[in-house]
Amino acid sequence: SQQGEEDPQALSIQEGENATMNCSYKTSINNLQWYRQNSGRGLVHLILIRSNEREKHSGRLRVTLDTSKKSSSLLITASRAADTASYFCARSGGSNYKLTFGKGTLLTVNP
Amino acid sequence: NAGVTQTPKFQVLKTGQSMTLQCAQDMNHNSMYWYRQDPGMGLRLIYYSASEGTTDKGEVPNGYNVSRLNKREFSLRLESAAPSQTSVYFCASSEGVWNEKLFFGSGTQLSVL
Repeated sequence: SQQGEEDPQALSIQEGENATMNCSYKTSINNLQWYRQNSGRGLVHLILIRSNEREKHSGRLRVTLDTSKKSSSLLITASRAADTASYFCARSGGSNYKLTFGKGTLLTVNP
Repeated sequence: NAGVTQTPKFQVLKTGQSMTLQCAQDMNHNSMYWYRQDPGMGLRLIYYSASEGTTDKGEVPNGYNVSRLNKREFSLRLESAAPSQTSVYFCASSEGVWNEKLFFGSGTQLSVL
């Protein structure tokens, strides 16, 4: 499979703690994107990291990319109850840059 | 701006019935996509349109047809619905042809009995 695969499948933390989610993939990528999906809603783009980048930040989000290990991680710092959602990584690869999604990590942030 | 608008939000069909899912975006995006989301399967691409007038098959195109009516609208048609097509369908759009930063609609929950 060329899908990005997230780990863990589910994560439960307390408000204020940090949450780390990982994504692994099998073939080379052009970029890797992270999306959030609240229950019953569409996906929302969070951050994109290109294959020649190692780290990107956006507010409380930090994404790293290790192309040698074919893996990426999403760190959410100082989590809030509103961060409760499913998080998906999506890998863009190949000459046509097609995007393939993983199965997601369900993050629950308890108040 | 409304972003990406999908209709209907919910639909129940009987096996063999046909229907069209509508999608429109008001962001002047070039590319549009149809995905389905099933439990434990993540999102899978059904069809996409890199630009007005072009459409291409994605990962799971069987049983579906699409029409890129104009730059704004991209519809998905089920000609003869099957229970295996029970799913949540998402339309998305992006500015360029390189599948970056997709904007998603709120989804259509389809049940085929």
